[in-house]
Amino acid sequence: GENVEQHPSTLSVQEGDSAVIKCTYSDSASNYFPWYKQELGKRPQLIIDIRSNVGEKKDQRIAVTLNKTAKHFSLHITETQPEDSAVYFCAASKGGSNYKLTFGKGTLLTVNP
Amino acid sequence: GAVVSQHPSRVICKSGTSVKIECRSLDFQATTMFWYRQFPKQSLMLMATSNEGSKATYEQGVEKDKFLINHASLTLSTLTVTSAHPEDSSFYICSAPNGGGSDTQYFGPGTRLTVL
Repeated sequence: GENVEQHPSTLSVQEGDSAVIKCTYSDSASNYFPWYKQELGKRPQLIIDIRSNVGEKKDQRIAVTLNKTAKHFSLHITETQPEDSAVYFCAASKGGSNYKLTFGKGTLLTVNP
Repeated sequence: GAVVSQHPSRVICKSGTSVKIECRSLDFQATTMFWYRQFPKQSLMLMATSNEGSKATYEQGVEKDKFLINHASLTLSTLTVTSAHPEDSSFYICSAPNGGGSDTQYFGPGTRLTVL
């Protein structure tokens, strides 16, 4: 089955700096890669996703890049703010509504004011 | 985006009792829903895939007789933790894709189960 590795497990940055979280996946059939933000005790919230026919996607301060050949994808947050502090999870699936997500172990991001 | 609800949000029960958790898609139909378990400071681990009108598909290591799943309608899936024990205490979250072949999954708010 799919295996998703995520690094780092914790990341601390100063407000205004950029943060980068990296994930690798094992199943070459995976073609959908979402990123979720989870605050303590809350549900995961989708912040951005990318499909395998695209190499990069951006939404304001958040961007995701995908290297299908190397089977890795990354989340980039620019101009970080304290409210960006949370746990971020990457995931991978084969796409479509019936395919399960396999999650990475998560990254605790702390943005220091 | 699509809305998924869960009930209850929090439950405390005695060891040996059964607990039912409901997951509802409020503004869309979901033929498939997913049940996850999340222990403190850990990732989401998929327990099972709930399929409307058919049996659930369980992940390896998940006891199907202990975690009963029923997906009786296109908007409701239930997870029953039977004979709960303290080690079953966890955060249980469901998710559902919002149909039309979409990849996007929307998560419920989760249910915090504490077994005494």
